[in-house]
Amino acid sequence: QVQLQESGPGLVKPSETLSLTCTVSGGSISSYYWSWIRQPPGKELEWIGYIYYSGTTNYNPSLMSRLTISVDTSKNQFSLKLSDVTAADTAVYYCARRAGSSGWYGWYFDLWGRGTLVTVSS
Amino acid sequence: QSALTQPASVSGSPGQSITISCTGTTSDVGGYNYVSWYQQHPGKAPKLMIYDVSNRPSGVSNRFSGSKSGNTASLTISGLQAEDEADYYCSSYTLSTTPWVFGGGTKLTVL
Repeated sequence: QVQLQESGPGLVKPSETLSLTCTVSGGSISSYYWSWIRQPPGKELEWIGYIYYSGTTNYNPSLMSRLTISVDTSKNQFSLKLSDVTAADTAVYYCARRAGSSGWYGWYFDLWGRGTLVTVSS
Repeated sequence: QSALTQPASVSGSPGQSITISCTGTTSDVGGYNYVSWYQQHPGKAPKLMIYDVSNRPSGVSNRFSGSKSGNTASLTISGLQAEDEADYYCSSYTLSTTPWVFGGGTKLTVL
């Protein structure tokens, strides 16, 4: 079955760039929307942004100025880069697939990765 | 935008039924039938349990059901089992700056 796996450094220094990759295994990245979602300690989940397999993106306005989401269809991966991080960016970061494909899309996520904790600290 | 409001914790005994609420506004839960629920066991990926308020994905037990009244959605688990002990999150489409808003999560304890 299709699985998602986040990877990247678990510790990032303040003002540096947080970089994560989500690898899609067991299926194709094509025809889907792929999201990043995060959960700071003790707080609710927050949608970060999504990318369509063709490269179209939609970002959370609160993060837009620091955020880049990209896709590499040849590697079946999509990535997150968040620049100029602070302690407020400390969170568990999840990658997730929006339900639906090829013209119909639901407003929910049918597949998630296990998440990876990223701590911003010097 | 504000997060959806869920109780921090609920508990129940095996065999009992419990309900987890998820309260939003007319801009999200109350305005659209796009509420979803996710189950997460420690160290595991969140799992979709309910979508579009009351629909169950294939493979999800029919002990899980969803409903909505006004600005509040609910997840009901009947015939509680030990394996149901987990965190549960609700989410909704929202007419706001981002497409999705989430709840803070509810920890279900099976006594």
